[in-house]
Parts: sequence; C-alpha cells; structure tokens
Amino acid sequence: DGGITQSPKYLFRKEGQNVTLSCEQNLNHDAMYWYRQDPGQGLRLIYYSQIVNDFQKGDIAEGYSVSREKKESFPLTVTSAQKNPTAFYLCASRRDRATNEKLFFGSGTQLSVL
Amino acid sequence: AQSVTQLDSHVSVSEGTPVLLRCNYSSSYSPSLFWYVQHPNKGLQLLLKYTSAATLVKGINGFEAEFKKSETSFHLTKPSAHMSDAAEYFCVVSNAGNNRKLIWGLGTSLGVNP
Repeated sequence: DGGITQSPKYLFRKEGQNVTLSCEQNLNHDAMYWYRQDPGQGLRLIYYSQIVNDFQKGDIAEGYSVSREKKESFPLTVTSAQKNPTAFYLCASRRDRATNEKLFFGSGTQLSVL
Repeated sequence: AQSVTQLDSHVSVSEGTPVLLRCNYSSSYSPSLFWYVQHPNKGLQLLLKYTSAATLVKGINGFEAEFKKSETSFHLTKPSAHMSDAAEYFCVVSNAGNNRKLIWGLGTSLGVNP
C-alpha cells in the first residue's frame, strides 16, 4: 500500500546529541513537509521541500536541518542547537506543490530528551 | 481504537452561504478534537480545538464546531463563506491528555464560488 512511513515511533536524545528522524513516502509526491506539535498547540511548520534537492525553512527552522536527495525521502535532523526538542514530529506529503492536493500524513515520531 | 471520518471529500458553496464540514469520530476515551486548515502552498493552521471544556468551540476566521458526544460528531460550521475560505480542512482526534497520538481524517476540500 502507498503511504508515508516515519521511524522511529519513539526517540530519545541525550543533551548535545544530534538525532535524525526518517520520513519515506512511496506515493511519488513532489512536496514533503515536517511539522512539530507541542502539547495543547497546533502544528508548526519546520521545513518543507517542493522538489528534489530543494527545501525551504518554515516558521521554526532554527535548530533543525533537512535534506532531499531523493524524491521519496525527507529526513529531519534535530541538532544540539535545538534547546527544546521534546515534541511530536509529523511528516506529510502532497502530490503537487502548485495545486490544492490532499495532504498525506505519517504516524509521527515522539522525541524526548533524556 | 480511535478513528475519524470526514464524510465529504469535497464541498462546494457559494460566497455568503453557510459552510458545513462534517466529521464523525470514534474513541474509547474522552477525546480531544481539532480542525486544521491548509491553504494552497501554505502550512497547516489550527482553526480550533475541543479539550473537554465548552462543547461549542469558536475558532479563527469565524469558524466554530460543536462537540456532540451522543452523535460522536464534531462538525465545522461558518455562517457565511468567503472566497478566502477555499482550502483543505482536516478533522483530527487524539486521546485527551496524550496529544502524541493523532488520528487524521482524509480531509475535505472546500470550494467557494463567487
């Protein structure tokens, strides 16, 4: 079945450590997104990519980095510069950046700090 | 198990007429419920949320939703549609107090005709 796969479901980070969250889609979608959710708040956009080898910062990009070397993969690295990384991270994709196509979501990764 | 069903994949209204986007949910626990909106080429935005307080929830841009436990519904309404309301709308359910696990509806695309 086509869809978006995020891994791992739960991730723990030690202070000063970089961690990478995986997001893979087999939907042949051009656009991919990373969101962060904190308890009681809505989703906030971290980074997005509208095409391979291109990505833009969202509203809260500081302390994060991404890459888009392949169409199906959009990994998110939470760096040591992100001082408050504990949150739920959601990856999404859509077929075409230019139209109002439906968003598809992964199941999310819960990141916690040890 | 939790689930959420958005009953219409597409709704089309005329400008100035009421909007109704339907959402039914299933939850074994007291749920938290959210409505998100995504406009073309933008990130997700939280419209409103229900977290066991007042059953009629008012959100941004004139939208509101009513939590009806007996009907397991959380329909989104607006008295008068505006052209700028054309977007994709998502209904989301999660366990109350555990916002890490989100169940997303497939979305309803709202079209507004002049």
